[in-house]
Amino acid sequence: DGGITQSPKYLFRKEGQNVTLSCEQNLNHDAMYWYRQDPGQGLRLIYYSQIVNDFQKGDIAEGYSVSREKKESFPLTVTSAQKNPTAFYLCASSWRQKNEKLFFGSGTQLSVL
Amino acid sequence: SQQGEEDPQALSIQEGENATMNCSYKTSINNLQWYRQNSGRGLVHLILIRSNEREKHSGRLRVTLDTSKKSSSLLITASRAADTASYFCATDADSNYQLIWGAGTKLIIKP
Repeated sequence: DGGITQSPKYLFRKEGQNVTLSCEQNLNHDAMYWYRQDPGQGLRLIYYSQIVNDFQKGDIAEGYSVSREKKESFPLTVTSAQKNPTAFYLCASSWRQKNEKLFFGSGTQLSVL
Repeated sequence: SQQGEEDPQALSIQEGENATMNCSYKTSINNLQWYRQNSGRGLVHLILIRSNEREKHSGRLRVTLDTSKKSSSLLITASRAADTASYFCATDADSNYQLIWGAGTKLIIKP
């Protein structure tokens, strides 16, 4: 089955710790995205990538980093510089330069210990 | 920046009734999309309507777009318990391939 897989489903971060959220897709999509969702709010874009080895900052990139070494994978690292990391993180993918019909993973809930 | 604004924020109706939710936006768009999110899950794409279209149907879903009023509506007919979810609109006005999302309408279908 084609799809997009996020792991882990739940993640806890200690003070000063970096944590990495995994996102893998087998849809052969060129574009991948990371969104942050806070309770009762819409999605805010953290980073996006339209092609391997290239990515751009979204509206709230500070305190986050990404890599795109493979077409299938787009991991997100939440660094210690992100002072309010508790949120639901969603990874998505779509055809390149087609900001249409995004396919989403099932999300990772990150909480601070 | 948040362009889409859904209305109402929450809606509770009886099973079998129709549900209507609205989305307003601020700038010109190429297309508008609706997504559904079940609690604690990812979003699922429902329907896309382009700026030159006025109405689109998909099963029990009907979407309208009024570009003069910068608004769209999503109608779910003959609602079912499984339709309980949050519904989001997203517009593509940003030239950097970013979608702009509203805060969503939380729909509860009572059995």
